Amino acid sequence: SQQGEEDPQALSIQEGENATMNCSYKTSINNLQWYRQNSGRGLVHLILIRSNEREKHSGRLRVTLDTSKKSSSLLITASRAADTASYFCARGSNYKLTFGKGTLLTVNP
Amino acid sequence: EAEVAQSPRYKITEKSQAVAFWCDPISGHATLYWYRQILGQGPELLVQFQDESVVDDSQLPKDRFSAERLKGVDSTLKIQPAELGDSAMYLCASSFHRGNKNIQYFGAGTRLSVL
Repeated sequence: SQQGEEDPQALSIQEGENATMNCSYKTSINNLQWYRQNSGRGLVHLILIRSNEREKHSGRLRVTLDTSKKSSSLLITASRAADTASYFCARGSNYKLTFGKGTLLTVNP
Repeated sequence: EAEVAQSPRYKITEKSQAVAFWCDPISGHATLYWYRQILGQGPELLVQFQDESVVDDSQLPKDRFSAERLKGVDSTLKIQPAELGDSAMYLCASSFHRGNKNIQYFGAGTRLSVL
């Protein structure tokens, strides 16, 4: 079963705007990861946040984790048309990843 | 940059036929994963190998699916017989080790259509 659930399911913004995607999960984690998938391709790892971390940055990406609420958010700042893709959160525990259903982000030029 | 190789990229088959997918992980990666991704959904783990051993196949439909990684390097996933509901993207991924900080590297996938 998929334990990570993203919200919203779809998001459409203009180039230059910020995009925020949320992820909720049900059971304990060792880490939470975000991946991007361009249409019809494999997934690419973006960022990992450990369960004892609250915030992490990587370039235009900012991830937060609230273990008390079992939720995480991914912020993409100054979005570009090339950011158009599906974004998945993945719960890391028991030596494997469990993916959510993803958020489809469309960045309009 | 090293990549996970998968073939074929696309496969069309008729139901009741046998299909096989191949994956070559990044060199030195001990852990290999097969996922199934239905359109509009996230990937679901089918089987996980540590070297040549299966460490998790709890979601693998064993009546029709089989997977092997005989020499602990490349891997094959087989479906026999294929059913209409097997139409999906089959993704292979690998990671350096099985630890909990396992960043996975994915191949481009094999898109299977069962007619």
